[in-house]
Amino acid sequence: AQTVTQSQPEMSVQEAETVTLSCTYDTSESDYYLFWYKQPPSRQMILVIRQEAYKQQNATENRFSVNFQKAAKSFSLKISDSQLGDAAMYFCAHGGHMEYGNKLVFGAGTILRVKS
Amino acid sequence: DVKVTQSSRYLVKRTGEKVFLECVQDMDHENMFWYRQDPGLGLRLIYFSYDVKMKEKGDIPEGYSVSREKKERFSLILESASTNQTSMYLCASSLGSGSYNEQFFGPGTRLTVL
Repeated sequence: AQTVTQSQPEMSVQEAETVTLSCTYDTSESDYYLFWYKQPPSRQMILVIRQEAYKQQNATENRFSVNFQKAAKSFSLKISDSQLGDAAMYFCAHGGHMEYGNKLVFGAGTILRVKS
Repeated sequence: DVKVTQSSRYLVKRTGEKVFLECVQDMDHENMFWYRQDPGLGLRLIYFSYDVKMKEKGDIPEGYSVSREKKERFSLILESASTNQTSMYLCASSLGSGSYNEQFFGPGTRLTVL
């Protein structure tokens, strides 16, 4: 079974600075996707970024980028130029292949606080 | 705009009551999911459905059942609510069967069982 571990329950960053959130996972699959989701306070969870395991190039979405280390089963999220609106709970998730649907296994989450 | 809605934001029920949580999506998605979110545990999958009337157990199905009579609607049922089912419940939907597909989430229902 897949497992996802986020070892940082809380992180803080100064506005305009860079922060990295850690995630490790365990899987026996060779073909899978990894995701970072953001859950702002009292708002709906949204996708931040995703990475296909077969792609060596790290995914980027504007100020968000990942450091994907397949051999180490590590998938960290880097947020550059942090903004107040980045304050949220961030979840790392593993998406494996199923006959039907796309099941996600989530980590416990990291609360990110942004200081002005 | 993509939308997943849930019938209630907050719900308070008594032990032993039958509880229905409703989720509706307007994106014509095949897949729908029910998760519960607890501090320190993240999101855990209760049930999912890949088509009308089709369902699969997730990681923690005990004490829950689901119903999907129409493509856009997925209901979670607590047959006899217990205090350990006090939690945040999140519904999600996604397109097709690809593992790359983004899941779209509803706002959540915070259920308290007294």
